[in-house]
Amino acid sequence: DGGITQSPKYLFRKEGQNVTLSCEQNLNHDAMYWYRQDPGQGLRLIYYSQIVNDFQKGDIAEGYSVSREKKESFPLTVTSAQKNPTAFYLCASSIGINSNQPQHFGDGTRLSIL
Amino acid sequence: QKEVEQDPGPLSVPEGAIVSLNCTYSNSAFQYFMWYRQYSRKGPELLMYTYSSGNKEDGRFTAQVDKSSKYISLFIRDSQPSDSATYLCAMRVSGGYNKLIFGAGTRLAVHP
Repeated sequence: DGGITQSPKYLFRKEGQNVTLSCEQNLNHDAMYWYRQDPGQGLRLIYYSQIVNDFQKGDIAEGYSVSREKKESFPLTVTSAQKNPTAFYLCASSIGINSNQPQHFGDGTRLSIL
Repeated sequence: QKEVEQDPGPLSVPEGAIVSLNCTYSNSAFQYFMWYRQYSRKGPELLMYTYSSGNKEDGRFTAQVDKSSKYISLFIRDSQPSDSATYLCAMRVSGGYNKLIFGAGTRLAVHP
C-alpha cells in the first residue's frame, strides 16, 4: 500500500561527518518536504520541492542540503556545518505544492550525535 | 509572539472523558486548518482537515474553527487509552506554496 518510507529509523553522527537521511514515497505526489522536530517545538520546515530537479529553502535550511533527482525520492543531507543536528527529522509529501490537499508524513529518523 | 500557540500539556484524563484541545493563531490569512495525531517515535497522522468556520465531525472527533476569534479546537468524545498521543494543530494560508505552520503539540494521556 502507498506511503512514505524514511530510513534509517535511528542515525548517529560523529563530529565533522555528513549524514544522509532517505525519504521515498509511492503516492505519486509531486511535492515533498523535510521538517525538523525538537521537543516542545512545532515542526520547522527545512527544504521543500515541488517537482523533480527543483527545491527551495525553508525556514531553517542552513547546514542542510537536498536533491530531487527522482519524483519518488527526496534525500536530506545533514552536513558538518549544522552544529545542533540532534532532532527528529520528518519527511512529508502532498499532491502538489499549490494544492490545498494536506501533507502526509513518514515515520521519521531520529538523529543523534556520538 | 508565535503565529500559532498551543498548550503543551501534558493533559491527563480518565477513559471515557471528553477532551478539548485548542490552538490560537495571530495570522488572519490562515484559511486551512489541520489536526495531526503523533504517537511516540512515529510521524504525524492526519486526523482532521477543515476550511470553513464551524464544526466538522468524524466519528469520535470534532474539529471546530472560529475564524473571528482566531481559535480552533479538537474535541475527542469517549476518549480511549489508544488516544494517548501528541496532538498537533497546523494551518496555512490560501494560495502560495503549501507551507504549514504548526503548533508545538499537546501531549494527551488517557488512563484506564
